[in-house]
Amino acid sequence: KQEVTQIPAALSVPEGENLVLNCSFTDSAIYNLQWFRQDPGKGLTSLLLIQSSQREQTSGRLNASLDKSSGRSTLYIAASQPGDSATYLCAVRRGGDYKLSFGAGTTVTVRA
Amino acid sequence: SAVISQKPSRDICQRGTSLTIQCQVDSQVTMMFWYRQQPGQSLTLIATANQGSEATYESGFVIDKFPISRPNLTFSTLTVSNMSPEDSSIYLCSVGGGQPNQPQHFGDGTRLSIL
Repeated sequence: KQEVTQIPAALSVPEGENLVLNCSFTDSAIYNLQWFRQDPGKGLTSLLLIQSSQREQTSGRLNASLDKSSGRSTLYIAASQPGDSATYLCAVRRGGDYKLSFGAGTTVTVRA
Repeated sequence: SAVISQKPSRDICQRGTSLTIQCQVDSQVTMMFWYRQQPGQSLTLIATANQGSEATYESGFVIDKFPISRPNLTFSTLTVSNMSPEDSSIYLCSVGGGQPNQPQHFGDGTRLSIL
């Protein structure tokens, strides 16, 4: 069974600082890995998807890396803003089916 | 990406009653899923909604408690039956992910509280 862990559980930074969010998974036989953002009481917004054959993906201020062999992904958010305050979830899809295994998330607070 | 609409967005229900949640997608999709997010926890897959056949349930979830319909490629319903306070959660519909470079997308969810 795939276990997904996100560290830290919560993070508070001043505006402008770079954010580093970590995700680890136990089974390296993944199909892809997705990072999501969830605002309180809302659904999930897909941020980035990294295929198993890729090392990183970038979108604006966001960059996600993947090291499949060590079972790790990192989401970097540059020059954080108060609007980046949310919970960030990492989800791994294993090969062979379409199921996503989610981490518990990292709750980020960016202080103005 | 597909636009996913869920109804209702929230509801407060009495214990012992049932509620049906609707998920409508603006384009035909092959894969459609239902997830549950209990308070303060991450998402857990309930089932995969299969068009034209019975849903595929994950361990710990049964059809009698969470019946699912998928009459076509753009619509699905999830019913939460005989509700108890433990069913208070956000229920989310998700689509996509059929190819390695295709992300899964989620609706805004249905926030359900049971009194």
